[in-house]
Amino acid sequence: ILNVEQSPQSLHVQEGDSTNFTCSFPSSNFYALHWYRWETAKSPEALFVMTLNGDEKKKGRISATLNTKEGYSYLYIKGSQPEDSATYLCASFSGSARQLTFGSGTQLTVLP
Amino acid sequence: DTGVSQDPRHKITKRGQNVTFRCDPISEHNRLYWYRQTLGQGPEFLTYFQNEAQLEKSRLLSDRFSAERPKGSFSTLEIQRTEQGDSAMYLCASSSEGHLNEQFFGPGTRLTVL
Repeated sequence: ILNVEQSPQSLHVQEGDSTNFTCSFPSSNFYALHWYRWETAKSPEALFVMTLNGDEKKKGRISATLNTKEGYSYLYIKGSQPEDSATYLCASFSGSARQLTFGSGTQLTVLP
Repeated sequence: DTGVSQDPRHKITKRGQNVTFRCDPISEHNRLYWYRQTLGQGPEFLTYFQNEAQLEKSRLLSDRFSAERPKGSFSTLEIQRTEQGDSAMYLCASSSEGHLNEQFFGPGTRLTVL
């Protein structure tokens, strides 16, 4: 059974703080790790798709790293803004499951 | 708007009724996915199509659920004899071929079964 875990479940930070979340996933048969941002009443929006061990991707103030050997990924937000408030989901694609398996998400609230 | 669209956005129904949801993917995408998301959980995979062929179904998809994509474009998800446990957000996503490609999600249909 493929289990994707995210921590923390929720997080409140002050505007300007930097923050990070963790996604852990089974490392066997790994193909790709996806990160999504889901704002209330909107569609989940893809942030990154990562495949290579040691990969690091960046989009503006958001970056992510990937460790496929130990099965974890970190998402970092530098200088959080209220508009960053959303649920951040990670999802793993493995050869055994052959479809995306999502974690339960980290709900971020950035307080002005 | 050329994104993924879903209709309706909200559906309230009584237990035992049938409901049908529609998803219109991004036009050039040949893969289409259905997910279900309940409170406090991430989306759970239900099924996916490549063109009009339904290639995979989760064991979550009981025989009360059926999905179609008759012409390889839009898709419908029907739930027969709805139960209160079916209350959830039903999300549709599309992608181009290849499981490493990002999936583009619609806004979802929120189903409430009374």
